[in-house]
Amino acid sequence: GNSVTQMEGPVTLSEEAFLTINCTYTATGYPSLFWYVQYPGEGLQLLLKATKADDKGSNKGFEATYRKETTSFHLEKGSVQVSDSAVYFCALTIYGNNRLAFGKGNQVVVIP
Amino acid sequence: EAQVTQNPRYLITVTGKKLTVTCSQNMNHEYMSWYRQDPGLGLRQIYYSMNVEVTDKGDVPEGYKVSRKEKRNFPLILESPSPNQTSLYFCASSPMDSVPGEQYFGPGTRLTVT
Repeated sequence: GNSVTQMEGPVTLSEEAFLTINCTYTATGYPSLFWYVQYPGEGLQLLLKATKADDKGSNKGFEATYRKETTSFHLEKGSVQVSDSAVYFCALTIYGNNRLAFGKGNQVVVIP
Repeated sequence: EAQVTQNPRYLITVTGKKLTVTCSQNMNHEYMSWYRQDPGLGLRQIYYSMNVEVTDKGDVPEGYKVSRKEKRNFPLILESPSPNQTSLYFCASSPMDSVPGEQYFGPGTRLTVT
Protein backbone atom coordinates (compact mmCIF):
# COMPACT_ATOMS: atom_id res chain seq x y z
CA GLY A 1 0.00 0.00 0.00
CA ASN A 2 0.88 3.67 -0.05
CA SER A 3 2.03 5.25 3.18
CA VAL A 4 4.10 8.08 4.58
CA THR A 5 6.21 8.04 7.73
CA GLN A 6 7.27 11.20 9.53
CA MET A 7 9.73 11.44 12.38
CA GLU A 8 8.15 11.15 15.81
CA GLY A 9 7.45 14.02 18.15
CA PRO A 10 7.25 17.80 18.10
CA VAL A 11 10.17 19.95 17.04
CA THR A 12 11.14 22.93 19.17
CA LEU A 13 13.86 25.28 18.02
CA SER A 14 15.07 28.85 18.32
CA GLU A 15 14.49 31.57 15.78
CA GLU A 16 17.04 31.50 12.93
CA ALA A 17 17.87 27.85 13.55
CA PHE A 18 17.98 25.24 10.77
CA LEU A 19 14.91 23.04 10.45
CA THR A 20 14.74 19.51 9.10
CA ILE A 21 11.67 17.29 9.20
CA ASN A 22 12.15 13.77 7.89
CA CYS A 23 9.66 12.06 5.63
CA THR A 24 9.94 8.64 4.02
CA TYR A 25 7.38 6.88 1.90
CA THR A 26 6.23 3.53 0.59
CA ALA A 27 4.36 3.52 -2.69
CA THR A 28 3.41 1.42 -5.68
CA GLY A 29 3.61 3.27 -8.94
CA TYR A 30 5.09 6.76 -9.31
CA PRO A 31 3.99 9.03 -6.47
CA SER A 32 3.83 12.79 -6.35
CA LEU A 33 5.01 14.12 -2.99
CA PHE A 34 3.76 17.09 -1.00
CA TRP A 35 4.30 19.07 2.14
CA TYR A 36 1.22 20.69 3.63
CA VAL A 37 1.28 23.20 6.51
CA GLN A 38 -1.41 23.85 9.08
CA TYR A 39 -1.19 27.12 11.00
CA PRO A 40 -3.00 27.33 14.34
CA GLY A 41 -6.77 27.30 13.93
CA GLU A 42 -6.64 26.95 10.16
CA GLY A 43 -7.03 24.32 7.47
CA LEU A 44 -4.13 22.80 5.60
CA GLN A 45 -2.33 24.69 2.86
CA LEU A 46 -0.08 23.27 0.20
CA LEU A 47 3.49 24.35 0.99
CA LEU A 48 5.42 22.66 -1.81
CA LYS A 49 5.35 19.68 -4.13
CA ALA A 50 7.51 17.47 -6.35
CA THR A 51 6.12 15.23 -9.05
CA LYS A 52 9.13 13.16 -10.15
CA ALA A 53 12.44 11.86 -8.88
CA ASP A 54 15.14 14.50 -8.24
CA ASP A 55 12.63 17.35 -8.41
CA LYS A 56 13.09 20.00 -5.74
CA GLY A 57 10.03 21.76 -4.44
CA SER A 58 10.46 25.15 -2.79
CA ASN A 59 8.30 27.87 -1.27
CA LYS A 60 8.65 30.51 1.50
CA GLY A 61 12.26 29.46 2.12
CA PHE A 62 11.35 25.79 2.55
CA GLU A 63 12.79 23.10 0.29
CA ALA A 64 12.38 19.38 -0.20
CA THR A 65 13.96 17.06 -2.76
CA TYR A 66 12.28 13.94 -4.11
CA ARG A 67 14.83 11.14 -3.53
CA LYS A 68 13.71 7.93 -5.18
CA GLU A 69 16.79 5.96 -4.10
CA THR A 70 16.09 6.61 -0.41
CA THR A 71 12.29 7.00 -0.80
CA SER A 72 12.50 10.28 1.07
CA PHE A 73 11.21 13.85 0.86
CA HIS A 74 12.73 15.69 3.81
CA LEU A 75 11.66 19.26 4.50
CA GLU A 76 14.33 21.88 5.25
CA LYS A 77 14.54 25.56 6.00
CA GLY A 78 17.75 27.38 6.67
CA SER A 79 16.55 30.02 9.13
CA VAL A 80 13.17 29.65 10.77
CA GLN A 81 10.98 32.44 12.10
CA VAL A 82 8.38 32.47 14.85
CA SER A 83 5.74 32.68 12.11
CA ASP A 84 6.82 29.22 10.89
CA SER A 85 5.31 27.65 14.01
CA ALA A 86 2.74 25.20 12.63
CA VAL A 87 2.05 21.54 12.00
CA TYR A 88 3.71 20.11 8.89
CA PHE A 89 2.35 17.10 7.02
CA CYS A 90 4.08 15.05 4.38
CA ALA A 91 1.75 13.42 1.84
CA LEU A 92 1.76 11.44 -1.37
CA THR A 93 -0.55 10.51 -4.17
CA ILE A 94 -0.19 8.30 -7.19
CA TYR A 95 -0.50 9.77 -10.66
CA GLY A 96 -4.09 9.66 -11.87
CA ASN A 97 -5.38 9.13 -8.36
CA ASN A 98 -6.38 12.22 -6.43
CA ARG A 99 -6.32 10.46 -3.08
CA LEU A 100 -3.80 11.72 -0.56
CA ALA A 101 -2.05 9.60 2.06
CA PHE A 102 -0.79 11.76 4.92
CA GLY A 103 1.89 11.29 7.49
CA LYS A 104 1.00 11.93 11.14
CA GLY A 105 2.37 15.45 11.10
CA ASN A 106 5.02 17.27 13.10
CA GLN A 107 4.33 20.19 15.39
CA VAL A 108 7.04 22.82 14.95
CA VAL A 109 7.44 25.46 17.65
CA VAL A 110 9.87 28.32 17.03
CA ILE A 111 10.93 30.24 20.12
CA PRO A 112 12.03 33.90 19.84
CA GLU B 1 -12.42 34.81 -3.36
CA ALA B 2 -11.74 31.16 -4.18
CA GLN B 3 -12.45 29.11 -1.12
CA VAL B 4 -13.84 26.04 0.56
CA THR B 5 -16.33 26.79 3.31
CA GLN B 6 -17.59 24.53 6.06
CA ASN B 7 -20.46 24.94 8.49
CA PRO B 8 -20.67 24.85 11.36
CA ARG B 9 -17.13 25.53 12.55
CA TYR B 10 -17.86 24.17 16.02
CA LEU B 11 -20.52 21.72 17.10
CA ILE B 12 -21.27 19.98 20.36
CA THR B 13 -23.94 17.31 20.20
CA VAL B 14 -25.17 14.20 21.96
CA THR B 15 -24.88 10.56 21.03
CA GLY B 16 -27.41 9.46 18.43
CA LYS B 17 -28.61 12.88 17.28
CA LYS B 18 -28.28 13.08 13.51
CA LEU B 19 -26.17 15.93 12.16
CA THR B 20 -24.90 17.28 8.87
CA VAL B 21 -21.72 19.24 8.25
CA THR B 22 -21.89 21.21 5.05
CA CYS B 23 -19.04 21.83 2.63
CA SER B 24 -19.15 24.15 -0.35
CA GLN B 25 -16.53 25.26 -2.88
CA ASN B 26 -16.74 28.06 -5.43
CA MET B 27 -13.92 26.93 -7.72
CA ASN B 28 -15.90 24.51 -9.92
CA HIS B 29 -13.71 21.62 -8.73
CA GLU B 30 -14.69 18.10 -9.67
CA TYR B 31 -12.97 16.34 -6.78
CA MET B 32 -14.08 16.76 -3.17
CA SER B 33 -13.12 14.88 -0.05
CA TRP B 34 -13.66 14.64 3.70
CA TYR B 35 -10.93 13.97 6.26
CA ARG B 36 -10.81 13.64 9.99
CA GLN B 37 -7.82 14.74 12.03
CA ASP B 38 -7.03 13.10 15.34
CA PRO B 39 -3.99 13.59 17.60
CA GLY B 40 -1.21 11.18 16.75
CA LEU B 41 -3.05 9.84 13.72
CA GLY B 42 -2.73 12.68 11.23
CA LEU B 43 -5.44 13.05 8.59
CA ARG B 44 -7.48 10.10 7.44
CA GLN B 45 -9.82 10.17 4.48
CA ILE B 46 -13.48 9.40 5.15
CA TYR B 47 -15.14 9.70 1.72
CA TYR B 48 -14.35 11.30 -1.59
CA SER B 49 -16.17 12.23 -4.76
CA MET B 50 -14.77 12.44 -8.27
CA ASN B 51 -17.80 14.31 -9.60
CA VAL B 52 -21.56 14.76 -9.21
CA GLU B 53 -23.28 11.53 -8.15
CA VAL B 54 -19.90 9.73 -7.90
CA THR B 55 -18.74 8.97 -4.36
CA ASP B 56 -16.48 6.36 -2.82
CA LYS B 57 -15.20 5.26 0.55
CA GLY B 58 -11.90 6.40 1.93
CA ASP B 59 -9.98 4.78 4.74
CA VAL B 60 -12.42 5.34 7.63
CA PRO B 61 -15.99 5.52 6.23
CA GLU B 62 -17.82 3.67 9.03
CA GLY B 63 -20.53 5.79 10.65
CA TYR B 64 -20.57 8.44 7.91
CA LYS B 65 -22.57 9.14 4.77
CA VAL B 66 -22.07 11.64 1.98
CA SER B 67 -23.92 12.85 -1.08
CA ARG B 68 -22.92 14.83 -4.16
CA LYS B 69 -26.03 16.17 -5.83
CA GLU B 70 -24.41 19.42 -6.97
CA LYS B 71 -20.85 20.05 -8.02
CA ARG B 72 -20.20 22.72 -5.40
CA ASN B 73 -21.58 20.90 -2.32
CA PHE B 74 -20.45 17.79 -0.50
CA PRO B 75 -22.19 17.38 2.88
CA LEU B 76 -21.01 14.92 5.51
CA ILE B 77 -23.81 13.17 7.39
CA LEU B 78 -23.54 11.44 10.76
CA GLU B 79 -26.84 9.61 11.20
CA SER B 80 -26.14 8.38 14.73
CA PRO B 81 -23.04 10.09 16.09
CA SER B 82 -20.97 8.38 18.75
CA PRO B 83 -18.22 9.75 21.03
CA ASN B 84 -15.50 8.12 18.90
CA GLN B 85 -16.49 10.51 16.11
CA THR B 86 -15.33 13.45 18.19
CA SER B 87 -12.71 14.95 15.92
CA LEU B 88 -11.63 17.82 13.70
CA TYR B 89 -13.10 17.46 10.22
CA PHE B 90 -11.78 18.98 7.01
CA CYS B 91 -13.33 19.22 3.59
CA ALA B 92 -11.08 19.62 0.56
CA SER B 93 -11.46 20.07 -3.18
CA SER B 94 -9.33 20.03 -6.30
CA PRO B 95 -9.73 20.21 -10.06
CA MET B 96 -9.23 16.93 -11.85
CA ASP B 97 -6.84 18.49 -14.36
CA SER B 98 -4.36 19.67 -11.74
CA VAL B 99 -1.47 17.74 -10.24
CA PRO B 100 -3.22 14.98 -8.31
CA GLY B 101 -2.91 15.81 -4.64
CA GLU B 102 -3.01 19.60 -4.89
CA GLN B 103 -6.03 20.06 -2.70
CA TYR B 104 -7.67 23.16 -1.23
CA PHE B 105 -8.82 22.73 2.34
CA GLY B 106 -11.65 24.30 4.28
CA PRO B 107 -11.09 25.81 7.75
CA GLY B 108 -12.28 22.76 9.65
CA THR B 109 -15.22 21.75 11.83
CA ARG B 110 -14.54 20.75 15.40
CA LEU B 111 -17.15 18.20 16.48
CA THR B 112 -17.67 16.98 20.02
CA VAL B 113 -20.07 14.11 20.67
CA THR B 114 -21.00 13.55 24.33
